Amino acid sequence: DSGVTQTPKHLITATGQRVTLRCSPRSGDLSVYWYQQSLDQGLQFLIQYYNGEERAKGNILERFSAQQFPDLHSELNLSSLELGDSALYFCASSVDNQELTFGSGTRLTVV
Amino acid sequence: EDKVVQSPLSLVVHEGDTVTLNCSYEVTNFRSLLWYKQEKKAPTFLFMLTSSGIEKKSGRLSSILDKKELFSILNITATQTGDSAIYLCAVDKGAQKLVFGQGTRLTINP
Repeated sequence: DSGVTQTPKHLITATGQRVTLRCSPRSGDLSVYWYQQSLDQGLQFLIQYYNGEERAKGNILERFSAQQFPDLHSELNLSSLELGDSALYFCASSVDNQELTFGSGTRLTVV
Repeated sequence: EDKVVQSPLSLVVHEGDTVTLNCSYEVTNFRSLLWYKQEKKAPTFLFMLTSSGIEKKSGRLSSILDKKELFSILNITATQTGDSAIYLCAVDKGAQKLVFGQGTRLTINP
C-alpha cells in the first residue's frame, strides 16, 4: 500500500456520461498529480494541485476538470466521455514535487 | 516538443541474464531523470538522477545519467522473475510535471 488511495478501482460507463475519480494523497503530501495512461500514449501528465491551488497543467482536455479540497483530497471530473477516454487514471502525491508516490489507479472503460 | 524515448519497448530474457534498458530525452529545462517500476498497477520509484556519471545502485539495479549525450541506462543483473514489469523513465522539467517515456516491458522467463 503506497498510502495514496484512489477510488473507484474500476469504472465502466457509456459515452456522453460524466464520472468523478477520487484521490486521497499520502499523509503529509500537499501536492496531488493526475496522470492518464493509455496503451498508445504512455503516462501523460494532466494536472497538479498544491495545497488546494492549481499549480501546473498538462495535456488536460477542456472536458476534464479537477480540484483539491481543504482536506487535500482531489477529484478528477471527466465529462462528455468518449471511447478514447478509456484509460488508467493515476493519482500521485509528493512532498517535494519530485519523487512521486502513485496510487493504484482507476481503470475507466467507456463503452 | 519535449520527448522521452525508451528502448527497447519490450524485452524477454531468461532468469539470471543481465539487461540494460535505455532512455533518451530531449526536453527544455531538465531538472532530473527518474526511473519507475510498474508491476500490476502503481508505478513505484526506483532512482532519481541529477548529475552525469554518478551511478546509483540498489541491490541488483543500477542506473547512470549522461547529460551530454542526453540519455540514461538502467541495468538489472542476475534477473529474477519478480523483475518482470514495465520500467518507466521520466524527466522532471522543473515545472512540477514529469514527461514519461513509453516504458519498456520486461519479461523474465524461468
